[in-house]
Amino acid sequence: DQQVKQNSPSLSVQEGRISILNCDYTNSMFDYFLWYKKYPAEGPTFLISISSIKDKNEDGRFTVFLNKSAKHLSLHIVPSQPGDSAVYFCAASAIDNDMRFGAGTRLTVKP
Amino acid sequence: DGGITQSPKYLFRKEGQNVTLSCEQNLNHDAMYWYRQDPGQGLRLIYYSQIVNDFQKGDIAEGYSVSREKKESFPLTVTSAQKNPTAFYLCASSIQGVDTQYFGPGTRLTVL
Repeated sequence: DQQVKQNSPSLSVQEGRISILNCDYTNSMFDYFLWYKKYPAEGPTFLISISSIKDKNEDGRFTVFLNKSAKHLSLHIVPSQPGDSAVYFCAASAIDNDMRFGAGTRLTVKP
Repeated sequence: DGGITQSPKYLFRKEGQNVTLSCEQNLNHDAMYWYRQDPGQGLRLIYYSQIVNDFQKGDIAEGYSVSREKKESFPLTVTSAQKNPTAFYLCASSIQGVDTQYFGPGTRLTVL
């Protein structure tokens, strides 16, 4: 069962513009959400997280927004840079439960 | 329904025992991966396989072994040589040359 979905397999953005990556989930018990970034031939690395008590978390150019009523979260990258080109995975977990991952979205930032 | 499955969901073993974690996919994906996740850490790549009968070590392969005798199966053995085996193990698969990966539900291994 796909409890975490990333419906866009790919996204292309111009350098300097905003990248918005979306993620939807079905399990209302999820209370912790993460974004991972993956470069080719490497394992995913942690990027940013948010707990369900917040609706926004910001870290430099990266901001994650959580809309609990819509069961939706998004990752905003502003401004986008060519080095941001990677696959981004959304993940979610409920307390004392294991993490579920989306299939990923490939972001390409064009110079 | 296509997907990737891991079994069991929870696994308990005594220290010193080898244990094998199952990963099966019916997505017809060529590539399969094993990751380990520890609290507060990201995913770390253990082994990956891009084709049947071939696999490569990832970042933390020591104490683990794998086989890829069939396209749909990529079992991971946690050997007694692995010093800290208690962790959450995730299997994933992908189409060859495509970076998006489908993850299984994971197996939580606890070594007592």
